[in-house]
Amino acid sequence: QKEVEQDPGPLSVPEGAIVSLNCTYSNSAFQYFMWYRQYSRKGPELLMYTYSSGNKEDGRFTAQVDKSSKYISLFIRDSQPSDSATYLCAPLAEGGSYIPTFGRGTSLIVHP
Amino acid sequence: DAGVTQSPTHLIKTRGQQVTLRCSPKSGHDTVSWYQQALGQGPQFIFQYYEEEERQRGNFPDRFSGHQFPNYSSELNVNALLLGDSALYLCASSHPAPGADYGYTFGSGTRLTVV
Repeated sequence: QKEVEQDPGPLSVPEGAIVSLNCTYSNSAFQYFMWYRQYSRKGPELLMYTYSSGNKEDGRFTAQVDKSSKYISLFIRDSQPSDSATYLCAPLAEGGSYIPTFGRGTSLIVHP
Repeated sequence: DAGVTQSPTHLIKTRGQQVTLRCSPKSGHDTVSWYQQALGQGPQFIFQYYEEEERQRGNFPDRFSGHQFPNYSSELNVNALLLGDSALYLCASSHPAPGADYGYTFGSGTRLTVV
């Protein structure tokens, strides 16, 4: 079992839809949770960064962490074609060298 | 404020050759991490440098080596290239530990093709 699992997709939605991207993990030591967006042939761009359980909102994006079930979600409201990208979740544990572990990413396609 | 810069952007090498990739961290960051990303996969951690020392290493062979300079910039060296080394190589800079300004920031990467 991989430490971080994501459905690779692609997930195809119409413009304006609410998108739910999900990630599960196995390491209970993970305390920090990051979401990255990666456009084709580009480096990942940090979208959200949260600590422990709960919700965090930033504009159209909401990150949700449920540590009891080891489940992470990223919600995108009013999705736009420019949101079409791969979304990577990257949790990391507290202590040590703080190296995030990346999932393989979910490909999202928002069509006009 | 310059972000993370990587050079070159693209590179084609022959099997068995050696390659050096370069990274300049974001201003204010002192920690540099290197990743390999194969097509359709997430980034895989190679190693991290802090205070000019290798702080942690992922599951990569000794053919992969690195260096960090006093100005925090870093190099990734790969010897005896294999076809399987073809990938996007990403550099990320950060502070050494999470906080409000942890900012694990990636460059645009170097696309290496081994033929």
